[in-house]
Amino acid sequence: EAGVTQFPSHSVIEKGQTVTLRCDPISGHDNLYWYRRVMGKEIKFLLHFVKESKQDESGMPNNRFLAERTGGTYSTLKVQPAELEDSGVYFCASSQALNPWDEQFFGPGTRLTVL
Amino acid sequence: AQSVTQLDSQVPVFEEAPVELRCNYSSSVSVYLFWYVQYPNQGLQLLLKYLSGSTLVESINGFEAEFNKSQTSFHLRKPSVHISDTAEYFCAVSEASGTYKYIFGTGTRLKVLA
Repeated sequence: EAGVTQFPSHSVIEKGQTVTLRCDPISGHDNLYWYRRVMGKEIKFLLHFVKESKQDESGMPNNRFLAERTGGTYSTLKVQPAELEDSGVYFCASSQALNPWDEQFFGPGTRLTVL
Repeated sequence: AQSVTQLDSQVPVFEEAPVELRCNYSSSVSVYLFWYVQYPNQGLQLLLKYLSGSTLVESINGFEAEFNKSQTSFHLRKPSVHISDTAEYFCAVSEASGTYKYIFGTGTRLKVLA
């Protein structure tokens, strides 16, 4: 069974440009999460999809970030326009059931560098 | 507000020595507790979790963690580490009711030395 995959693995862009990150969850997992880790800090929650609906987007930093999950399968996270403070590693995770005790399965992350 | 503290950012230890990685949390509600491990160039993998019952939980590769409610701690221990245990370890909590997100600590880099 394939795990959570993320594309690209690395992205280097200039301030003001747009970047789109993609996450493919484990097949059959209705729950999809986005997290971000700024260098040296904790991994922080961004948002949670249940199928194609946003269950919780309380962690989204501002309206430059747009997340979508059309059809309830893969998800994209777009940053437009990117700022220097957006640099970090963006992790995607998925889980099958909607329980707070369930394991979330993480992808390898996308390292975003904004110059 | 919930928070997780991992005071040790880096822990060097010699092979076959014991290690303890500390994790403390604060929360106004009941939580579930997790330890995840990230090996180089890989995603986070669940190491072990505490949901209820026995306060000592074990992983398949020799790690164990003990939930201490009075001290709000969930420290991770291994009696004898291997070179292959070199990785970054993250402690996380999720609320027993409400949202389903994880709250993570800042991570501890364990480096096992030969």
